[in-house]
Amino acid sequence: SQTIHQWPATLVQPVGSPLSLECTVEGTSNPNLYWYRQAAGRGLQLLFYSVGIGQISSEVPQNLSASRPQDRQFILSSKKLLLSDSGFYLCACPGLNYGYTFGSGTRLTVV
Amino acid sequence: QKEVEQDPGPLSVPEGAIVSLNCTYSNSAFQYFMWYRQYSRKGPELLMYTYSSGNKEDGRFTAQVDKSSKYISLFIRDSQPSDSATYLCAMTSFSGYSTLTFGKGTMLLVSP
Repeated sequence: SQTIHQWPATLVQPVGSPLSLECTVEGTSNPNLYWYRQAAGRGLQLLFYSVGIGQISSEVPQNLSASRPQDRQFILSSKKLLLSDSGFYLCACPGLNYGYTFGSGTRLTVV
Repeated sequence: QKEVEQDPGPLSVPEGAIVSLNCTYSNSAFQYFMWYRQYSRKGPELLMYTYSSGNKEDGRFTAQVDKSSKYISLFIRDSQPSDSATYLCAMTSFSGYSTLTFGKGTMLLVSP
């Protein structure tokens, strides 16, 4: 079964600073990968998904970008963080029975 | 109308109660339905899945799907304090690279 590693678990960043969140996957090859953001009262919002190396689809226009430099690596970035970028960021890949396996998430607070 | 509607709660029940969590959806293309459990500050974990109308049971948990009414439910029998979490419904039409559509989640609090 797949395992998703995300780090860091918690991050506090000032407005205007850059961001880089990393996600790596074990136990599968060439998976679809997803970045979600979960904000209070808003549920899970799909930000980006990738079907392969270098292939990124953006679901929501925003201050963030994603890259997939390797088969099992998915990176979420920002050049300048906004207060509205605060939230719980989750990486996911398809698991069993059409569901997703999620990582443990990164809680980002922009101050 | 949002694709998936789910009451955010919180839903507070005493230990041992039967809990009913529900979602409604509008897209008749959805064929596969899932329930995720998310503990505080953790990623969601798949709890149950089903792809047909009717009931599916797993221990204390029963997932129910009514495609004609576009309504799904999760029942928890003999609820325990360890069941306190946010429960998210999710669904997909599964057409190639289709993604999951999630409800916003219902927070459940089970008091001892």
